[in-house]
Amino acid sequence: SQKIEQNSEALNIQEGKTATLTCNYTNYSPAYLQWYRQDPGRGPVFLLLIRENEKEKRKERLKVTFDTTLKQSLFHITASQPADSATYLCALINQAGTALIFGKGTTLSVSS
Amino acid sequence: DAGITQSPRHKVTETGTPVTLRCHQTENHRYMYWYRQDPGHGLRLIHYSYGVKDTDKGEVSDGYSVSRSKTEDFLLTLESATSSQTSVYFCAISEEDSQGTEAFFGQGTRLTVV
Repeated sequence: SQKIEQNSEALNIQEGKTATLTCNYTNYSPAYLQWYRQDPGRGPVFLLLIRENEKEKRKERLKVTFDTTLKQSLFHITASQPADSATYLCALINQAGTALIFGKGTTLSVSS
Repeated sequence: DAGITQSPRHKVTETGTPVTLRCHQTENHRYMYWYRQDPGHGLRLIHYSYGVKDTDKGEVSDGYSVSRSKTEDFLLTLESATSSQTSVYFCAISEEDSQGTEAFFGQGTRLTVV
């Protein structure tokens, strides 16, 4: 069955450092991958989408890579700030192309 | 913010009672989804809809049913609530696009079954 794994449940870093979150998937080849941010008590909010023919996508301090050979995406936040503290979710379109399947998320804590 | 509203936001119900959660959108998006979110499990897809009266099951559909009689409304029903259905439920919407579009989420409904 299709499986998505976000390797770390929690990641703690210091302000100003780069946070790197990992998303691995098995048993399918998604056409695209998305990253979401979720704050406590709120629904996820879309951050970035990267397609299978794109190696890298950037948006301000965010960078996403997509390696279809390794079946892995890396999500980077450069110059991290305490306001970046949240849970980050990786999502892939399912094999049927009809719904997003989410990883369990990584909770990032940025300390000042 | 995308126009998506979930109701109720909080509900406490007794085991064995039926419960209906409502998701309403004003974006005219084709796809609508119901997820549940539990500690240690993340977001799991319950059911989704790809049009009026067109629905399909997700990975955790047992004990749940859905209906979509209008584009803007997607209802999730627990026919006979159990304690294992205590969770936070999120509705999401997205447009149809084979190249991939973002999903917009509602604020969530916290359901407690006692």
